[in-house]
This record gives sequence, structure tokens and C-alpha cells, in this order.
Amino acid sequence: GNSVTQMEGPVTLSEEAFLTINCTYTATGYPSLFWYVQYPGEGLQLLLKATKADDKGSNKGFEATYRKETTSFHLEKGSVQVSDSAVYFCAFGSGNTGKLIFGQGTTLQVKP
Amino acid sequence: DVKVTQSSRYLVKRTGEKVFLECVQDMDHENMFWYRQDPGLGLRLIYFSYDVKMKEKGDIPEGYSVSREKKERFSLILESASTNQTSMYLCASSLDRVHEQFFGPGTRLTVL
Repeated sequence: GNSVTQMEGPVTLSEEAFLTINCTYTATGYPSLFWYVQYPGEGLQLLLKATKADDKGSNKGFEATYRKETTSFHLEKGSVQVSDSAVYFCAFGSGNTGKLIFGQGTTLQVKP
Repeated sequence: DVKVTQSSRYLVKRTGEKVFLECVQDMDHENMFWYRQDPGLGLRLIYFSYDVKMKEKGDIPEGYSVSREKKERFSLILESASTNQTSMYLCASSLDRVHEQFFGPGTRLTVL
């Protein structure tokens, strides 16, 4: 069935390090893909999205490319900051239902 | 910008009480969703709605009901609160069945 697999956290990095959070999905067709971020005590915010194969979503220095061949949508950032510490969720749209299928979330901790 | 608001950030209720969680969106979105978020379990969909007076069960509807009398407002009702309903509740809305969801700040409910 439909599912999203994210790398388990927590991921702990030093400031200015390179970040990769892996995400793979199992779905029928070619769904839209999303990364959401949740800062402590807040709701989820859309970070970036991609709607078709080879699309690259980007925002605030984060990037992710829609890889149809590997059914992946890995999140990357070249230089993380302490303020990037949060939980990151990968998700995809489930057909024409409007529902989103979420991964379990990956906690990122960035230390000064 | 889309704004999704939830009536309370923190709520404490007693077992057996009837609890109402309110969610309002200001962008004329068709779809609205209620999730709960628990450590280790990620986000789980409780109920969603495609239109006024319409509702659909999500993955974990037991113990909950919803009401959507107006397009902008989607209420989650706990008919008789229990301690296992202590959780973070997140409301979301989307323009239609294809686009991304926008989330409210969440309500942290504690049932004693």
C-alpha cells in the first residue's frame, strides 16, 4: 500500500554542515511530493514541493528533487543553521483524494 | 497567505467531558482535515471534509466526530474524552484535492 519511509532520527549536525534527509515513497502513479517542517510547539509548515518527475523544489536553502526512477525525494541543505533545528516530514498526495501520506518525521538538531 | 487558526493552543479536560476543537481557515478552501500527532506514531488522519456538511472517516475516527456547517469552519468533537485522547491535534486545509495542505498551530489537549 501507499507509504513513506524517512531516515530515522535524531540527526545531529554542527552548524554549517551539509544535510541530507532521505525519503522514499510507495505509491501508484506519480503523486505530488512535499516536505513539511515543524518547529517546536508549532504546526506543520510547507517547506517545498514538487509536482512531477525531475522537478526540484527549493526554499530557504533547502532543496529536493523528484526522482521517479528511485521513488525518492531526499531533502538537502548545503549549510545548516541552529535555527533549522526542527522535525521534517516527507509526504505525498494520495491520488485524487486530497489526503496526504506522511512519513514518521526526522528530528534535526543543529549545534553551534 | 493562507491562515488556519485553531481555537486553543492548550486545553485541559477531564475524563468523560465533551470537548470541542475548532478550526477556521480564511482562504475559501474546499477541503479540511483533522489529525492527531503522537510521539513515535507521526500524524494520523482522524476525519476530513470535502465540502460543507460532508465528512469522511480517516484512519482513526473512533471516539471522534466532526461538524462542518460553514465552509471556513471544521470542528472536531470528542463525545466523551478519555485519557488516551491526550495528544496534539492539528487542523489543515487545502484548496482542492490536488494541492498542498496548510496547517494550523495545533491544540495540545490533555485529558485527566
